[in-house]
Amino acid sequence: DTEVTQTPKHLVMGMTNKKSLKCEQHMGHRAMYWYKQKAKKPPELMFVYSYEKLSINESVPSRFSPECPNSSLLNLHLHALQPEDSALYLCASSPRTLAGTGVSVGELFFGEGSRLTVL
Amino acid sequence: QQQVKQSPQSLIVQKGGISIINCAYENTAFDYFPWYQQFPGKGPALLIAIRPDVSEKKEGRFTISFNKSAKQFSLHIMDSQPGDSATYFCAAAALQGGSEKLVFGKGTKLTVNP
Repeated sequence: DTEVTQTPKHLVMGMTNKKSLKCEQHMGHRAMYWYKQKAKKPPELMFVYSYEKLSINESVPSRFSPECPNSSLLNLHLHALQPEDSALYLCASSPRTLAGTGVSVGELFFGEGSRLTVL
Repeated sequence: QQQVKQSPQSLIVQKGGISIINCAYENTAFDYFPWYQQFPGKGPALLIAIRPDVSEKKEGRFTISFNKSAKQFSLHIMDSQPGDSATYFCAAAALQGGSEKLVFGKGTKLTVNP
C-alpha cells in the first residue's frame, strides 16, 4: 500500500463547481508534488512544494490552485474547470535535502491518484 | 534537451522471456534515472533506479543498464511473468533552480502472455 494517501479517489464535477483534492503523507518528506496524467500518457508535472513553499509552477492555469497547509498535507483547489481537465491527478512526495547530501532527487512516492471527471 | 525518449511504445513477450525497454536523453545535467511501474488505476511505483556513476544495477529480475557516453539506459526484465504486465516509464531527474524536476518518457505498455 502506498504511504501517500489521496482523497477522493473519484470526483465528478460541473464546470461551475468548486472542489478540492487532498493528499497526505507521513514519511517526513519535505517535497510534495501534483502531477496530471491523461490516459496512455506519462505524468505531467504541475506544482512542486519544497519545505511548504511553492518552488515550481509549470505554467498551470489559475483554475488550479495548490495549497500546502503543513509538511504532511497538500491540497489542490479546483474552480471553473473545463472538460479537458478530466484526468488522473497524482500526488507525490520525496525526501528533500540540499544538493550534495546524497539523497536521490528522483525518488518520488506516488499516491493512487484522484480520478477527476469534468462535465 | 528536457526530453527522455522511450521505446518501444508497446511490447508483448511470452512468460519466461526477457523484456527490454530502452530510453535515451540529451541533457547531461540529469543525474538520476528511475524506472516506474504503473498498473491500471494505480499511481506509478518506483521500481529501480540508477546513478550515472554506475553502469549496471540489478534487483531481483530487474536490471538497469546505463551507458553514459551514449546517454542511453535500459530496463531488462528477466523471466517475465504475467504479473509484470503494466506500463513502464523511464525518467530522468535533475536539480533545477533549487528544486528537483523529474522528466518522464512516454511509457511502454508491457504485456506478458501466459
